[in-house]
Amino acid sequence: DAKTTQPPSMDCAEGRAANLPCNHSTISGNEYVYWYRQIHSQGPQYIIHGLKNNETNEMASLIITEDRKSSTLILPHATLRDTAVYYCIVRPFSGTASKLTFGTGTRLQVTL
Amino acid sequence: DSGVTQTPKHLITATGQRVTLRCSPRSGDLSVYWYQQSLDQGLQFLIQYYNGEERAKGNILERFSAQQFPDLHSELNLSSLELGDSALYFCASSSTPARYGQPETQYFGPGTRLLVL
Repeated sequence: DAKTTQPPSMDCAEGRAANLPCNHSTISGNEYVYWYRQIHSQGPQYIIHGLKNNETNEMASLIITEDRKSSTLILPHATLRDTAVYYCIVRPFSGTASKLTFGTGTRLQVTL
Repeated sequence: DSGVTQTPKHLITATGQRVTLRCSPRSGDLSVYWYQQSLDQGLQFLIQYYNGEERAKGNILERFSAQQFPDLHSELNLSSLELGDSALYFCASSSTPARYGQPETQYFGPGTRLLVL
């Protein structure tokens, strides 16, 4: 699986957009970008995934650059409940092994 | 609520003992994954089952074993416990096997916190 690089921590004011970057310069053509978050030792929560097009759901938007070497997760109006560790994961959608390889993620602190 | 349930939520035991962690996947999900999260190792994949059969193994110790039953629930057995086995153990489930070439999304349970004293 392609390696990802994320900043270790970020701060965001409540109500503002949180933009979390992820670099995955070695991504292959059959690999998706997934985002999960973990709120204080709870089980990781799926947020969104994408291949090459930008994606949006009720939780967030995912912007993937045209060369697919980086992406940004956008939480449009961050709240205190969005404080968590956010993991960017790149993995292929085909193959016999489907494990998720978690890095160290970005610790997002949303403040008043 | 992801729909994945895990029991017990907390487990305190002594070194050398054996424990069993239980996971019930989301309704209809055939794949079950086990992950371990310790302070110094982060989230690590242990093992995957699909429809009762072992599909993939990660860094799972020989003292650990797992199985998936016909009703699709899974159990993770940890034996000869050591202090270093203290960790959060998460189960995840997914509905689409990778071999069908579809993007797969794993949904995680709330975890079992194991403390070995």
